[in-house]
Amino acid sequence: GQSLEQPSEVTAVEGAIVQINCTYQTSGFYGLSWYQQHDGGAPTFLSYNALDGLEETGRFSSFLSRSDSYGYLLLQELQMKDSASYFCAVRDTDYKLSFGAGTTVTVRA
Amino acid sequence: NAGVTQTPKFQVLKTGQSMTLQCAQDMNHEYMSWYRQDPGMGLRLIHYSVGAGITDQGEVPNGYNVSRSTTEDFPLRLLSAAPSQTSVYFCASSPGTGDLYEQYFGPGTRLTVT
Repeated sequence: GQSLEQPSEVTAVEGAIVQINCTYQTSGFYGLSWYQQHDGGAPTFLSYNALDGLEETGRFSSFLSRSDSYGYLLLQELQMKDSASYFCAVRDTDYKLSFGAGTTVTVRA
Repeated sequence: NAGVTQTPKFQVLKTGQSMTLQCAQDMNHEYMSWYRQDPGMGLRLIHYSVGAGITDQGEVPNGYNVSRSTTEDFPLRLLSAAPSQTSVYFCASSPGTGDLYEQYFGPGTRLTVT
């Protein structure tokens, strides 16, 4: 089976930096994805890492270490609109995406 | 493009009733999937399809059926609704299995079973 661990909640102030860690145990591994979901909305894709290293997309960056079965999502220059839930997800070998339970990020003024 | 559309947005069922949640996409995506989302549990895969005529079970398939007669449509049927099926249901799609890491989600159906 699949197992993904991420913190349940993170709170930070506007302008700060937040790092959301994700550790995984999966039977197969093709890569680590990150999704954002605002309250009442649909999940939207943020980033994907198939290889070790850092991927940067604007204020958001994602990192992967396959040897450590670990990745993180880095949110920089936090804005109020970044208040949302963030999910890590791993694709296993059977055409399935397995999601973590999600991290709720609250940004305070 | 409308993307991924789902109907209805909200539904209340009584225990034992059956219904079909509709999902359609106009992006010619091969891969489609259904998830349920419960508080504190993330998204759990119910069923998925890698192309028209091909479906398979996900993590939590019991009590649900799917079919994929066309590339565009992927309906989810609840056979006999139970209170444990109260949840938010999301349909998603991706261009192909090689792009599975990036899925496009519909707006969701909020289902309550009493």
